[in-house]
Amino acid sequence: EVHLLESGGGLVQPGGSLRLSCAASGFTFTNYVMNWVRQAPGKGLEWVSGTSGSGVDTYYADSVKGRFTISRDNSKNTLFLQMNSLRADDTAIYYCAKGRGSASSSHDSWGQGTLVTVSS
Amino acid sequence: DIQMTQSPSSVSASVGDRVTITCRASQGISIWLAWYQQKPGKAPKLLISTASNLQSGVPSRFSGSGSGTDFTLTISSLQPEDFATYYCQQTNSFPLTFGGGTKLEIK
Repeated sequence: EVHLLESGGGLVQPGGSLRLSCAASGFTFTNYVMNWVRQAPGKGLEWVSGTSGSGVDTYYADSVKGRFTISRDNSKNTLFLQMNSLRADDTAIYYCAKGRGSASSSHDSWGQGTLVTVSS
Repeated sequence: DIQMTQSPSSVSASVGDRVTITCRASQGISIWLAWYQQKPGKAPKLLISTASNLQSGVPSRFSGSGSGTDFTLTISSLQPEDFATYYCQQTNSFPLTFGGGTKLEIK
């Protein structure tokens, strides 16, 4: 059974940094694209970033490009999201989501999410 | 970037009703469209991939159709557990993008 567990969320001041982690199990991690999707309070879903199975290819939403960095450690089955220069509108639940395949694809498994709050 | 427009943004319906939600892409995406269901306080759940491919375990009352720019999600006979928010997502190319969501409420 696929299991995704996010961690690292919390309260951070505007301009600050935070690193999210997603521990994966139950599948061959290196074979799948992995993604981060966020949801601001009371709002819809926003895809944030994705990375290929090898980690070589990375993709970002325009809203986070240049501020966020996605990476993965395939030896530890873990996905990361380094978030810098955080703003109030980055406040959201951040979900880790597994792609169905090795390219851009729908997300067939999700974690429970980790809350990031950007506030002074 | 490809923009996804869902309609309606909310709909009220009764148990047993047939409901259709539409999703339009700003450019052609072939069949690279997914539908998700999200209940309050929970992570989204994938219902349908590649426009019409029902995921394992999803009831057959859910169906998807369309290609190119216009897509639909149909629930043939609403059940109490179907009241939730539904999102479409284009998976044709990065950056992936979601529609704004459709909240399905009990009438």
